[in-house]
Amino acid sequence: DTGVSQDPRHKITKRGQNVTFRCDPISEHNRLYWYRQTLGQGPEFLTYFQNEAQLEKSRLLSDRFSAERPKGSFSTLEIQRTEQGDSAMYLCASSGDGANYGYTFGSGTRLTVV
Amino acid sequence: KQEVTQIPAALSVPEGENLVLNCSFTDSAIYNLQWFRQDPGKGLTSLLLIQSSQREQTSGRLNASLDKSSGRSTLYIAASQPGDSATYLCAADTGRRALTFGSGTRLQVQP
Repeated sequence: DTGVSQDPRHKITKRGQNVTFRCDPISEHNRLYWYRQTLGQGPEFLTYFQNEAQLEKSRLLSDRFSAERPKGSFSTLEIQRTEQGDSAMYLCASSGDGANYGYTFGSGTRLTVV
Repeated sequence: KQEVTQIPAALSVPEGENLVLNCSFTDSAIYNLQWFRQDPGKGLTSLLLIQSSQREQTSGRLNASLDKSSGRSTLYIAASQPGDSATYLCAADTGRRALTFGSGTRLQVQP
């Protein structure tokens, strides 16, 4: 297992376009998380999946954002009608069960909206 | 609402120095406190996880302590090396499956 994979690494899009990111977690991890990080700040929680169920969403996740995890494997994060304020690094992480199971993060997808 | 603060925001030290990074959190009802390292433009690498029942964890030259009652954690780096240059982030897990991160300490170790 090569860890958490994210694709693409970089995405430049015009304002108003839709974009979709993919995350492949560590295969035995049933928990998957999406975070967003802007320059000079720590990551901010967006959403969390336990297997295929989306159990928690941040208020940061406006109705333009949607995340899925079909079959409890990979996950996608879609942003519709992108805005310049969406420019950020989008990080995916996975973990096993248990309150004290550490997180493994992917390398992130850097989104630039022009 | 949990808030996490890291001091200092940036630190530059000569190689070989021992150093301490500070992290404070407002809600002491945490499951664990985690420290991560982030290199420029990259994802996060997990360094240490301290469970709420523990006082400290060690990994190589790194030692992290946790004082829940005062809402503080420290990351101690012994004999710093240029390869330690990175941003160090602490994060509190309040058991709601959402880590709350600080803004990080940007460390530069001069050779």
